[in-house]
Amino acid sequence: GAGVSQTPSNKVTEKGKYVELRCDPISGHTALYWYRQSLGQGPEFLIYFQGTGAADDSGLPNDRFFAVRPEGSVSTLKIQRTERGDSAVYLCASSLKPGLDTDTQYFGPGTRLTVL
Amino acid sequence: AQSVTQPDIHITVSEGASLELRCNYSYGATPYLFWYVQSPGQGLQLLLKYFSGDTLVQGIKGFEAEFKRSQSSFNLRKPSVHWSDAAEYFCAVGALFGNEKLTFGTGTRLTIIP
Repeated sequence: GAGVSQTPSNKVTEKGKYVELRCDPISGHTALYWYRQSLGQGPEFLIYFQGTGAADDSGLPNDRFFAVRPEGSVSTLKIQRTERGDSAVYLCASSLKPGLDTDTQYFGPGTRLTVL
Repeated sequence: AQSVTQPDIHITVSEGASLELRCNYSYGATPYLFWYVQSPGQGLQLLLKYFSGDTLVQGIKGFEAEFKRSQSSFNLRKPSVHWSDAAEYFCAVGALFGNEKLTFGTGTRLTIIP
């Protein structure tokens, strides 16, 4: 079946603008994760959803970042007042159920965000 | 807090040669350990994972990794690399209970020469 999809694949914006990044998880997957990968770095955890609720948002860097998953499927990562330091690849992953020992996180191709 | 170190930023090997990518982790208890591969334009793909039991784990594409608690290491190996193995490789650690997030290393870029 289809994997995790993310749109757009590339997003260029200007400093101070608002952006939304979308993630469509694998159908039926209850857990959804957002990571951020800066150039030359490994992915860094941002937030994890179990169903509609954010179970762990400890990785969000500040209050300009917010994510939602209103119906327990598609998720949107929202960034307000973008800064040049927000430029990165934003990765989404999903798993059938939570539990690192019981399931695997499947990653999407990412959205490359460039803030000019 | 958990952390992962991948000491080799870039490794070049000849096609058909053996490969070992190093990974050291820091975690207070038995960790969950993973190796992912990232090809250009592709999402991260899981190669293998270790939770418990046999310390030598087999993965996809002919890769294996060995968990060594005494050395806090989880090195990835392949006996004979193929040109298609050229990619970025990430080691990751996860906590045992109640923590779903993965902590990744900075990655090792693998180049294959003919």
